[in-house]
Amino acid sequence: AQSVSQHNHHVILSEAASLELGCNYSYGGTVNLFWYVQYPGQHLQLLLKYFSGDPLVKGIKGFEAEFIKSKFSFNLRKPSVQWSDTAEYFCALSSGGYNKLIFGAGTRLAVHP
Amino acid sequence: SAVISQKPSRDICQRGTSLTIQCQVDSQVTMMFWYRQQPGQSLTLIATANQGSEATYESGFVIDKFPISRPNLTFSTLTVSNMSPEDSSIYLCSVVESSNQPQHFGDGTRLSIL
Repeated sequence: AQSVSQHNHHVILSEAASLELGCNYSYGGTVNLFWYVQYPGQHLQLLLKYFSGDPLVKGIKGFEAEFIKSKFSFNLRKPSVQWSDTAEYFCALSSGGYNKLIFGAGTRLAVHP
Repeated sequence: SAVISQKPSRDICQRGTSLTIQCQVDSQVTMMFWYRQQPGQSLTLIATANQGSEATYESGFVIDKFPISRPNLTFSTLTVSNMSPEDSSIYLCSVVESSNQPQHFGDGTRLSIL
């Protein structure tokens, strides 16, 4: 069965600190991987996606993620966070371009000025 | 990306009643899905809304409780039937516009049952 694990449920950082949120998945076949973000009071938005090709993908707002197949990981990174990055971040996978998304539990990030 | 409108945005309902949530997209989309986000939890897929045929439900979700319609390529409804406090959640519609495109989500419907 497919599953997604996010290791950090709550992360607190100061502005300008670097961010790395862990995401590991369980699935033996080809996967598509996503990071979504939910800002307070807003709807879920796509940060970045990996379908194939370059395993280092860049998304909006300076975020990037690296797909490491051997580690079944797709960690999210940002070199310098801002207060406006305060949000909940969800890692998700699908096993096809159309297919249902399996979400991780989410990570709540709080950035203090 | 497609603009997704969900109605209502929130509602407070009485136990035992039913509520229908609408999802309208401003362009034709290939796939439509319904998710549930229970308080403090992640998103769980309820079903895939299939145009012109019965929805495909995930384990733990049944048509009698969550009937879904999708009469065309831009519109779908989810009904939460015979509601109980355990159904208090955010219900989200998502769409896939075309092949190899990610899912995009509506604003969600925040439902509280008294």
